[in-house]
Amino acid sequence: DAGVTQSPTHLIKTRGQHVTLRCSPISGHKSVSWYQQVLGQGPQFIFQYYEKEERGRGNFPDRFSARQFPNYSSELNVNALLLGDSALYLCASSLEQGWNQPQHFGDGTRLSIL
Amino acid sequence: DQQVKQNSPSLSVQEGRISILNCDYTNSMFDYFLWYKKYPAEGPTFLISISSIKDKNEDGRFTVFLNKSAKHLSLHIVPSQPGDSAVYFCAASGAGRRALTFGSGTRLQVQP
Repeated sequence: DAGVTQSPTHLIKTRGQHVTLRCSPISGHKSVSWYQQVLGQGPQFIFQYYEKEERGRGNFPDRFSARQFPNYSSELNVNALLLGDSALYLCASSLEQGWNQPQHFGDGTRLSIL
Repeated sequence: DQQVKQNSPSLSVQEGRISILNCDYTNSMFDYFLWYKKYPAEGPTFLISISSIKDKNEDGRFTVFLNKSAKHLSLHIVPSQPGDSAVYFCAASGAGRRALTFGSGTRLQVQP
C-alpha cells in the first residue's frame, strides 16, 4: 500500500508569493495533519483535519490555511510568504482522530523562500 | 515553552550495544507518547508508542519505558545496528487535542 504522498517535493518561491502544498493520506485514513519543521527542531503542528473539518490549529498566523477534500486528501496554503516560512512541510495521516492513533508521515515538501 | 525535551542532541554507540534515548515532558495532560525515526530527505517514520496506562511497550529490538511520576520516557534499542543511525524524535499528545508535540531530536550514530 502507498504511504502518505506529498507534492511537490521541492519548491522555491519569493517573498510575498502564495504557495499550495498537497497531501494524499494512506488509503482508509480519514485524518490529516500538517507540520512545519525548521532546521534543528522537531516538527511543529499547524493544522489537523478530520472528515473535512478543522479539528485543531497550532500557533501559526492567518496566512496559513488548509482544507480537506471528500477523498480525504488535503491542501496547505500559505499567503504572503516570508523568509521565515522556509522549512520542510510535513503531512501526516491517521486512521481516526482519536487518541492512541499513530500518525504516519510523508516525506515532506521542502519550501525555500528567496 | 518547550513541553517535550530531548536534552541530548547526539549519541554514539557501538554496534551490538544498547542505545538509550531519553525524553522529558512537562505537560501532565499528555497521555500518549511516540517515537519516530528520521533519515535525511525522508519524513519521520513511526517506531513505537505507549499510552499513559502502561509503563512499558516492546516491539522487537525497540522498547519504550514511561515513568509518569518523573514525566520521563526512554527508548531502548537492543542490539543497536548501523542502520539505526538516524535522528530520533520523541512526541506526545493529549491535553484535549490529538496534535503531536515533538522534541528537538537526538542524532544516534551506531559505529560498526
